[in-house]
This record gives sequence, C-alpha cells and structure tokens, in this order.
Amino acid sequence: DTAVSQTPKYLVTQMGNDKSIKCEQNLGHDTMYWYKQDSKKFLKIMFSYNNKELIINETVPNRFSPKSPDKAHLNLHINSLELGDSAVYFCASSHEGTPGGYTFGSGTRLTVV
Amino acid sequence: AQKITQTQPGMFVQEKEAVTLDCTYDTSDPSYGLFWYKQPSSGEMIFLIYQGSYDQQNATEGRYSLNFQKARKSANLVISASQLGDSAMYFCAIFNQAGTALIFGKGTTLSVSS
Repeated sequence: DTAVSQTPKYLVTQMGNDKSIKCEQNLGHDTMYWYKQDSKKFLKIMFSYNNKELIINETVPNRFSPKSPDKAHLNLHINSLELGDSAVYFCASSHEGTPGGYTFGSGTRLTVV
Repeated sequence: AQKITQTQPGMFVQEKEAVTLDCTYDTSDPSYGLFWYKQPSSGEMIFLIYQGSYDQQNATEGRYSLNFQKARKSANLVISASQLGDSAMYFCAIFNQAGTALIFGKGTTLSVSS
C-alpha cells in the first residue's frame, strides 16, 4: 500500500564504496525526485526526472547518478562515497497539474564511516 | 531566483493554543504555489496545505490554515488548538524558477507542551 517506498531505510558503509538506494512509487505519478537532507535538516533538490527529461542540480557531484528503469522507479547510485555524503536521502513523486505537492518516501539514512 | 525564508528556528506553544509559523518568499513569477510540510521526529515528510497565488481565499485544512498576504510575500501557517502530536519540524516550500522542483526553507521546529 505504500505510495513511495525507499530501500534500504538505513545504510552504513565505508568511504570509497559504491552504493545504491532504490525508490518505487505506485501512484502513477509522472515525475520523481531525489532530495538530500543534511544534518541541519536543510532539504536540497538533487534530481528531478520524468519520462522526458532529467534535470540535475548543478551542485550535485557527478558521483551521484539517477537511474530510471521505468516510470515507477528512480534509483540513486553513489560512487566513491565520502564522509560528507552522510545524510538522509528522500525520494518523492508528483503528477503534473496536481496542486497537492509531492509524496515523499520515508527516507534513507546514509552513514559513511 | 525563488527563495523561501523561515526566520523562526524554534517555536514553543502549549496544548490547545494556536501558533503561527512564519514564511516569506521571493519570486518573480506572476503565478506560483506555496506548500507546507510537516516532518515529525520519525522523519517522514507529510504534506499539509497548499496555497495558489491566485486563490481567492486563504487555504484551510482542518486545524491548519494559511495566512496568505501576497503584497507582503508571506504565507504563514496557523495551527489552531495545538496538540502534542504537532511537535515536529515544519517546512515552507515553493517551486523553483523552472518549475521543476520544490525548494524548501530551513524549517521551524515546533514544540508543543502539556
């Protein structure tokens, strides 16, 4: 029943590793997003993606890459993890023309040690 | 560029009282929308309320209402009859200039005491 689901919920990994976070939505939304929430709770857009266009926030390092196998999935791959990547990562989705804002996943807490 | 400012890092209120969380914004778009989200300590982001810039009336959703003052570029969230479960972080948001993503303010932590 979960509308936007992310896995894993927690991820602890060593510096230099490569990891992925998966996101799936069953709402039929046409656009998906990845946000990063830092230790000060500041939410920053990383990517937005629909079946036409990927929009990347230019401040996001190219170690981060979104992969969308289909409209319902937007996974986040991170290469060569750094300590500063530790944060909570939120996936979200929306449907064009719907004023209700975004539906967020429950977040993935990534800790790089 | 679009910008959201939330100047109150923390607010404290007693149960059953009303509280106002401030949000000011900056945009050059003639048409825009403003959103409020709640993030409890469990971490999920919960959509609360939406206000369109051309809406004739201020938005209301249950105990949540928006005090929308377009000329002042403010969209303050009013929570009436506060409950302990309202303790959370609250974020105000607006679409970025390209309309491709929501951008958020820094948030306000609300603490409700009995």
